[in-house]
Amino acid sequence: DVQLQESGPGLVKPSQSLSLTCTVTGYSITSDYAWNWIRQFPGNKLEWMGYISYSGSTSYNPSLKSRISITRDTSKNQFFLQLNSVTTEDTATYYCARITTAMSYAMDYWGQGTSVTVSS
Amino acid sequence: DIQMTQTTSSLSASLGDRVTISCSASQGISNYLNWYQQKPDGTVKLLIYYTSSLHSGVPSRFSGSGSGTDYSLTISNLEPEDIATYYCQQYSKLLTFGAGTKLELK
Repeated sequence: DVQLQESGPGLVKPSQSLSLTCTVTGYSITSDYAWNWIRQFPGNKLEWMGYISYSGSTSYNPSLKSRISITRDTSKNQFFLQLNSVTTEDTATYYCARITTAMSYAMDYWGQGTSVTVSS
Repeated sequence: DIQMTQTTSSLSASLGDRVTISCSASQGISNYLNWYQQKPDGTVKLLIYYTSSLHSGVPSRFSGSGSGTDYSLTISNLEPEDIATYYCQQYSKLLTFGAGTKLELK
């Protein structure tokens, strides 16, 4: 079965970079699909942040484009989120998920989410 | 960006009820509309994709419909495990989510 698991620091200082890892088991991230980051703010609003496709191409939410980078390590079947110059507004629960373009860009597998607080 | 509006933020229903949750888009989205369920522990599951296609393993009491700008998710016979928050998501331009509808027991 496909499983995704987020990991990374739970606390980041303002102006620093937020770095998270999504480890995928049960499916190779180079075989197909797009591998995404989504965040949920306090109050429960969901925001799609971006993805890296199976081929390595990326797509980002324009609202984040200057601060975000999604990369991968195919040998470890992991993909990563880096968000630069964070503020308290970036405090959220961060999810990784798989998108299937053949199904209306639906996210068919999600991680459990990891909470990140931006605070000094 | 296309804005997704779920006008009902919370909804109370009884076990066995038929429940309908609505979602509207700020412009037409050509049926590129998906529905998710989020449990209180944060677990998120895909229920419906492309307006009305049931995702694998999802009970048949869940169904979706709609077109143009207006879409809905229906639970035909509410079960205890359906108590959750439900989100719509579009992909016509970028990906955006509705604000969610929290389903509670009456």
